[in-house]
Amino acid sequence: GDSVTQMEGPVTLSEEAFLTINCTYTATGYPSLFWYVQYPGEGLQLLLKATKADDKGSNKGFEATYRKETTSFHLEKGSVQVSDSAVYFCALVANNAGNMLTFGGGTRLMVKP
Amino acid sequence: GAVVSQHPSRVICKSGTSVKIECRSLDFQATTMFWYRQFPKQSLMLMATSNEGSKATYEQGVEKDKFLINHASLTLSTLTVTSAHPEDSSFYICSARTGGRALANEQFFGPGTRLTVL
Repeated sequence: GDSVTQMEGPVTLSEEAFLTINCTYTATGYPSLFWYVQYPGEGLQLLLKATKADDKGSNKGFEATYRKETTSFHLEKGSVQVSDSAVYFCALVANNAGNMLTFGGGTRLMVKP
Repeated sequence: GAVVSQHPSRVICKSGTSVKIECRSLDFQATTMFWYRQFPKQSLMLMATSNEGSKATYEQGVEKDKFLINHASLTLSTLTVTSAHPEDSSFYICSARTGGRALANEQFFGPGTRLTVL
């Protein structure tokens, strides 16, 4: 079945450091890929998305590129801020899944001043 | 953008009581709504999918008589946790999608409801 694997956290960085959170997936066909962010005590917010190979999703300084050849969708940010501290979820919707999201386990990011 | 609300945001109840959680799409019509459960420091687990006017489809292992889902209108779905017990304590999150959007597989999430059963 479809699955998403993320690097385990927590990831602890200093402010202005470079961030990478790895995400790889297993799915048939060409899924759509998403990154969601969850701030403490809140629901999920869509951070960025990509719907086909080589697409780059970007938002708020975060970027992720849909790599079909490596089945990856790694999240990156050049300079993190304390306000980026949250849990980040990689997810996919398979093209035959009736819009059902499959989530990775989540990666907690802590940014220290 | 598309906004989904949940009510209440927090609820504490005694064991054996039933709790109803509402999920509303505020500025769009949601043909499909999803209910998730999230345990502390874990990912979201899909509980059920509901389409307006029809019975919900429950994921394997989710008791449909325990977690009653009603999607009576295009803007409202409710989850009722019947005869709640402490093990039902969790963070419940709903999401909604509209069939009218170009990106048909995008879901919009509510802020979540934290249920604590004493």
